[in-house]
Amino acid sequence: QQQVKQSPQSLIVQKGGISIINCAYENTAFDYFPWYQQFPGKGPALLIAIRPDVSEKKEGRFTISFNKSAKQFSLHIMDSQPGDSATYFCAASMSSGGSNYKLTFGKGTLLTVNP
Amino acid sequence: NAGVTQTPKFQVLKTGQSMTLQCAQDMNHNSMYWYRQDPGMGLRLIYYSASEGTTDKGEVPNGYNVSRLNKREFSLRLESAAPSQTSVYFCASSYLTGGTGELFFGEGSRLTVL
Repeated sequence: QQQVKQSPQSLIVQKGGISIINCAYENTAFDYFPWYQQFPGKGPALLIAIRPDVSEKKEGRFTISFNKSAKQFSLHIMDSQPGDSATYFCAASMSSGGSNYKLTFGKGTLLTVNP
Repeated sequence: NAGVTQTPKFQVLKTGQSMTLQCAQDMNHNSMYWYRQDPGMGLRLIYYSASEGTTDKGEVPNGYNVSRLNKREFSLRLESAAPSQTSVYFCASSYLTGGTGELFFGEGSRLTVL
């Protein structure tokens, strides 16, 4: 049973365009939703994260939109650059009592930004 | 700042051989994790250790064992390697409580089982 569904599997965007990656989750107990960015040959690294008490969080060109009723969240990359080309993973976890951030990851989206 | 260090970075095994992947972190984190990454499958949790002295199964624990040697070190052992265990393995660590919940990953260990 896949608890976090991510789409699309791959995405090609022109430089300056908007990249949008979507995720849907099933477990309503999830209360922490991060996005990780992975470059080839490297481990994933936290990009941006959101908790369900807000509907949107923005950090520079990266924005998470969160829809609690639909159990969906998405990553928007504005003014996409070739350096943004990477694999992006959404994830979710339950941090009950503030302990144990055991994440469930989506299957990943390979983003290619053409110059 | 080394962060999370994994060894070896590459390994080729024959079916039935055993090996141990080593992981160490220098960030004083409580929790440590082992994930495997396969094409089209994302990152799947094998085992985790919420704190020193405890280990728990993740999503795909079969064929693996772990040891939390101390607060810094968390090893993953394959007792009898199978071709299905060909993968890239990532170790990660995080704080148990407080903080942002961020996982810090190593650079991965690429394992091929022939």
